[in-house]
Parts: sequence; C-alpha cells; structure tokens
Amino acid sequence: QSVLTQPPSVSAAPGQKVTISCSGSSSNIGNNYVSWYQQLPGTAPKLLIYDNNKRPSGIPDRFSGSKSGTSATLGITGLQTGDEADYYCGTWDRSLSVAVFGGGTQLTVL
Amino acid sequence: QVQLVESGGGVVQPGRSLRLSCAASGLTFSDYGMHWVRQAPGKGLEWVAAISNGGSDKYYADSVKGRFTISRDNSKNTLYVEMNSLRTEDTAMYYCTKGWGVGATTTWFGPWGQGTLVTVSS
Repeated sequence: QSVLTQPPSVSAAPGQKVTISCSGSSSNIGNNYVSWYQQLPGTAPKLLIYDNNKRPSGIPDRFSGSKSGTSATLGITGLQTGDEADYYCGTWDRSLSVAVFGGGTQLTVL
Repeated sequence: QVQLVESGGGVVQPGRSLRLSCAASGLTFSDYGMHWVRQAPGKGLEWVAAISNGGSDKYYADSVKGRFTISRDNSKNTLYVEMNSLRTEDTAMYYCTKGWGVGATTTWFGPWGQGTLVTVSS
C-alpha cells in the first residue's frame, strides 16, 4: 500500500483534458514539493513536473502541476495517443525519512 | 547530457548476494545525491535507498534496511548497491536516478537510467 494515493486509472478522448490526483499527508505533500513522472510502456520513468508545477526542459506545456494542502494534481491537456502511460507522483516524507511514490495511474486515451 | 547506466543484474538464488553498479556521465557526479528505485514486475515504483554527494548520509526503505548497502565512488563516477540475503520479493527492475541537490533527501528524481533486472529465484 503506497503512502501517496492515486486513482488506478483514468481515461479520456484525444484532444480532451484529464487530471490525476495524488493525496498524501502533512509529513509528505503537506510540507514538501511534489514531482510527477511519466512511464511509457517498457521504458524507464521520466521526470514530468518538479517543485509542484515546474516543467523540465523539453516537457510541453500541455502538462501542468498544482498542489493544495496535502494533495497534488497533474493536468494534461490536448491528449494524444502517445500520452498513454503510467503516471506517478512522488516526494520526500519527513517523518519516515524516505522518498515516497503514489501507486501509479494508468492513462488510457480512448 | 546526463547519462546513467546500470549493470550487475541477473538471476540469483534466495539468500545470495548481488552488487549493482550505476555509471554516471555528463554531470559532476560528486555534486549530487543519488538514489536507487525499483519496480517489481507489473507493480509501481518503490524507492530503495539514497546517498548524499559525499557518501556521509544514507537512507533506506524499511523493506531493505539491514540487507542492502548503498555506496558511491566519486573518483569513478559510480553508484553501487550491495544486496545481501536476497528474497524473492526483491525481484524487480532496479533504476539508478539523481536527486536535485547534494543531500540524500530529495523531492524529485531525474534523469533515470534504463534499469537492470534482478530476479531472485531458486
């Protein structure tokens, strides 16, 4: 059971928008930055969002992040079939002194 | 650009040991904390261990504490994890990844290596 909670799956049509939630507690999301990762089938994870809402170089602005209290959200607009992947949130937990990830959300672009 | 290349994976019997390596290039390796993250087949990401840039601070997941040891050789730009008393539940793809700063704690990881597969089976 993951420390951070994500929905197992989400789906939307091409061109539409989808959001993925990530819920934690005061010891992790509530007092730390959140990051998001995209894992395409058969590949290593890739950093998508860091420090709640910042995009690394090369990540399109279709991807966005936000945080409020002990929850964070990843948004993807203009969905493409190439966005089909597993998405994970992550951060550091100050109480446990470990890095924590959500269980992952599988995105299907119908 | 930054490149992380893991090696050392393979098939090992329960109770045996294995050492994984991660060769880093394209960065000043001694400026960053480094991490191991694993992914069991069909499962999500599980953080395993962290080490600060100089090697003085280390953190471990409870599931590997006392069995795994993370280390680094900054002169060789290489990260290691020594895995002892391996269990079937340690079967996973093991990824090497960089933290955001010098410390062992981090709120984001990137980039990631391609991973090395460890299979623990009799």
